[in-house]
Amino acid sequence: DQQVKQNSPSLSVQEGRISILNCDYTNSMFDYFLWYKKYPAEGPTFLISISSIKDKNEDGRFTVFLNKSAKHLSLHIVPSQPGDSAVYFCAATGTSVGNQFYFGTGTSLTVIP
Amino acid sequence: DVKVTQSSRYLVKRTGEKVFLECVQDMDHENMFWYRQDPGLGLRLIYFSYDVKMKEKGDIPEGYSVSREKKERFSLILESASTNQTSMYLCASSPRTGNAWDEQFFGPGTRLTVL
Repeated sequence: DQQVKQNSPSLSVQEGRISILNCDYTNSMFDYFLWYKKYPAEGPTFLISISSIKDKNEDGRFTVFLNKSAKHLSLHIVPSQPGDSAVYFCAATGTSVGNQFYFGTGTSLTVIP
Repeated sequence: DVKVTQSSRYLVKRTGEKVFLECVQDMDHENMFWYRQDPGLGLRLIYFSYDVKMKEKGDIPEGYSVSREKKERFSLILESASTNQTSMYLCASSPRTGNAWDEQFFGPGTRLTVL
């Protein structure tokens, strides 16, 4: 049973435009949400996180939005750069799930120069 | 920098073989994890360990076992490899910080093919 879902397997965006990656979850007990970025032949690396008590967290070009009522989060990348081309995984965790990470299926982002 | 290394980048084994995947981290992290990554399924947790000699089942432990004899090393064992265990295997470690969540640091992965 997939508790975290990313319904778009892939996304293509022009360089300089905004990339929006979406993620939905089913477990209302999740406390924290994270985005990881993965290049081919490398392991995922942490990108940005958000606590369930917030609705927005920003770090440079990356902003994560959380809509708890809709059980939805999104990652915005502005402006998108070719180096952002990677697979992005959202993940959810919380004390009620033993701090175990539940990962989504991933979205492959291609930024076209 | 945290470094998580995995013993092999690519591995090809035959059905029925016993397979060992090794993971070593150099940052004295308490927690270690094994995931597998498959297209359309994302990362799924196989086993994890919060301390030496301790292990906990994740979401898909069937057909796998683990060993953690030393803090820096976490081994994943496929007792009798099957073709449906062909996958990318990712090891991760995290410190026990007491924060609400602990960042997981991943190794580069081992691409295992079972023929």
